[in-house]
Amino acid sequence: DIQMTQSPSSVSASVGDRVTITCRASQGISNSLAWFQQKPGKAPELLIYAASSLQSGVPSRFSGSGSETDFTLTISGLQPEDFATYYCEQTRSFPHSFGPGTKVDIK
Amino acid sequence: EVQLVESGGVVVQPGGSLRLSCASSGFTFGSYAMQWVRQAPGKGLEWVSLISWNGGDAFYADSVKGRFIISRDNRENTLYLQMNSLKVEDTALYYCAKERRGFYMEVWGKGTTVTVS
Repeated sequence: DIQMTQSPSSVSASVGDRVTITCRASQGISNSLAWFQQKPGKAPELLIYAASSLQSGVPSRFSGSGSETDFTLTISGLQPEDFATYYCEQTRSFPHSFGPGTKVDIK
Repeated sequence: EVQLVESGGVVVQPGGSLRLSCASSGFTFGSYAMQWVRQAPGKGLEWVSLISWNGGDAFYADSVKGRFIISRDNRENTLYLQMNSLKVEDTALYYCAKERRGFYMEVWGKGTTVTVS
């Protein structure tokens, strides 16, 4: 099974900051990676799929990059509504698996 | 509008069984793979199971394999999760989700809560 890790586990940032979250797979997954945002009490929302493709309706300040084992999610110009927990997920092979999450909170 | 509405979550004793349902609307249900994901209280997301568009293929997390069965009724536009031999660690909010192509979960329901106690 493929294990996913994320770093950092939490980050404190200010509005307007650039935030980068890293996700690492235990083996190569090509570009079969998604990023989700989850706010408290809400279902997750898809931000990025296929490592770098922006889901329809998602602001362009979100971007993803990477391939095989190393991936990043970047938020360029953090907005108040971006304070949330972010998860990566590999869909390369079954069982699919999520990273443990990265919480972005207000500095 | 695409909608997914989960139901069936209750409090159940260890060793018990339960069936979750996920009613869909607003899209051609029979054209997409569907998935279940769960989230234990205060914890992260855990992928549970996926079923192909026609029900011909099903995949499971190791933690539920042999105990849970995913199924679908494309005439009724409904996804199911039969949960048997429930354990305390199965306690979670269970989400159903619709894929976009490539198994990426683009639409999620609000979830239904299962408590094993």
